[in-house]
Amino acid sequence: GQQLNQSPQSMFIQEGEDVSMNCTSSSIFNTWLWYKQDPGEGPVLLIALYKAGELTSNGRLTAQFGITRKDSFLNISASIPSDVGIYFCAGQLQDTGTASKLTFGTGTRLQVTL
Amino acid sequence: KAGVTQTPRYLIKTRGQQVTLSCSPISGHRSVSWYQQTPGQGLQFLFEYFSETQRNKGNFPGRFSGRQFSNSRSEMNVSTLELGDSALYLCASSRDAWGYTGELFFGEGSRLTVL
Repeated sequence: GQQLNQSPQSMFIQEGEDVSMNCTSSSIFNTWLWYKQDPGEGPVLLIALYKAGELTSNGRLTAQFGITRKDSFLNISASIPSDVGIYFCAGQLQDTGTASKLTFGTGTRLQVTL
Repeated sequence: KAGVTQTPRYLIKTRGQQVTLSCSPISGHRSVSWYQQTPGQGLQFLFEYFSETQRNKGNFPGRFSGRQFSNSRSEMNVSTLELGDSALYLCASSRDAWGYTGELFFGEGSRLTVL
């Protein structure tokens, strides 16, 4: 099945550092979302973006909906140990046929060292 | 407010058997969707239900089926299990009709191991 390309695949950072990750697609979406998954749990929604060019923040997280509608970016500022986990982007193309179907990215595994 | 509840959390089956997984959405949520998560393929869409109707199905064989009940609870069934069906099966609910905004609330998943 289709997956969106996320980079980096994994990253080790030190507490307090800023983190950037991105997600690219060969096709357009009209909604981009970012989820985080902790071990043994399901993904949790972090940020949703509904308009090309939109920049949205949720605490230390900031995400942008790429102007081409084929990419999105997530930044985490001043990382803390609880930021550890796998971050997934997801694209959605709402039309009468696909409704809520999300296409997920390959994931970025974030590990934070003290 | 209770989250999405999935049962069982873990199960082991052998090839050729069938399995039924259950999902109770967040109270008031009427849209339920299912995803399969594997290390190789990542998160893949299986089905989506709203008001007991399947609106969309992912690219999976007919061995994968599901349904939704009048109380919005959902079940999925996999028949004639294959080794490749080993995965974490995630259920998600949405407050929107058909999960239109993409804002899904996921359960913890049912981890299926096929031997």
